[in-house]
Amino acid sequence: NAGVTQTPKFRVLKTGQSMTLLCAQDMNHEYMYWYRQDPGMGLRLIHYSVGEGTTAKGEVPDGYNVSRLKKQNFLLGLESAAPSQTSVYFCASSNSGRSTGELFFGEGSRLTVL
Amino acid sequence: DAKTTQPPSMDCAEGRAANLPCNHSTISGNEYVYWYRQIHSQGPQYIIHGLKNNETNEMASLIITEDRKSSTLILPHATLRDTAVYYCIVRVIGAGSYQLTFGKGTKLSVIP
Repeated sequence: NAGVTQTPKFRVLKTGQSMTLLCAQDMNHEYMYWYRQDPGMGLRLIHYSVGEGTTAKGEVPDGYNVSRLKKQNFLLGLESAAPSQTSVYFCASSNSGRSTGELFFGEGSRLTVL
Repeated sequence: DAKTTQPPSMDCAEGRAANLPCNHSTISGNEYVYWYRQIHSQGPQYIIHGLKNNETNEMASLIITEDRKSSTLILPHATLRDTAVYYCIVRVIGAGSYQLTFGKGTKLSVIP
């Protein structure tokens, strides 16, 4: 069972370039999330989705867009990358809010914007 | 969700019990206490959660005070692989509750 898989694991971008991070989960979870983590900090929620076709803003949504066209996939897009978006990005998934609420995380995607 | 306070770092000798405290004095009646850990740059891993009763699983024990304003995560026999950042989080479970709010956690160093 793969769990939560993120691609790519590493990426270097130039300022102004665009890219998409892909998150895939095989646990049939309803909820999916994108977090970012900066050095020495906890995780901050960027966007989340409570089901296929739905997305919502988290704590730090500016500069990012997301899509959830399929239940198992959650895409995070950067339209015009900035150095402030250099970070480690974690995707997570969970059952609906009525369950125990445990989040399952991917291994992270390390993004550097020059 | 209520805010939590944790010490920034702790040391523990290998083989001894690691007791990680968390203060959540503003916790409300329907908020659960969750513990996650993050081992060097990996994704966070769920450990345990509880409402008001003490809980135990194969990884750890969770002790919640009677007034629910603080809790302690206990790793009974710490190993070097338990070196990680431990996050204490309080949150509501149920419809409309979608996210965890992570603080900076406690960096636990298990020393040989």
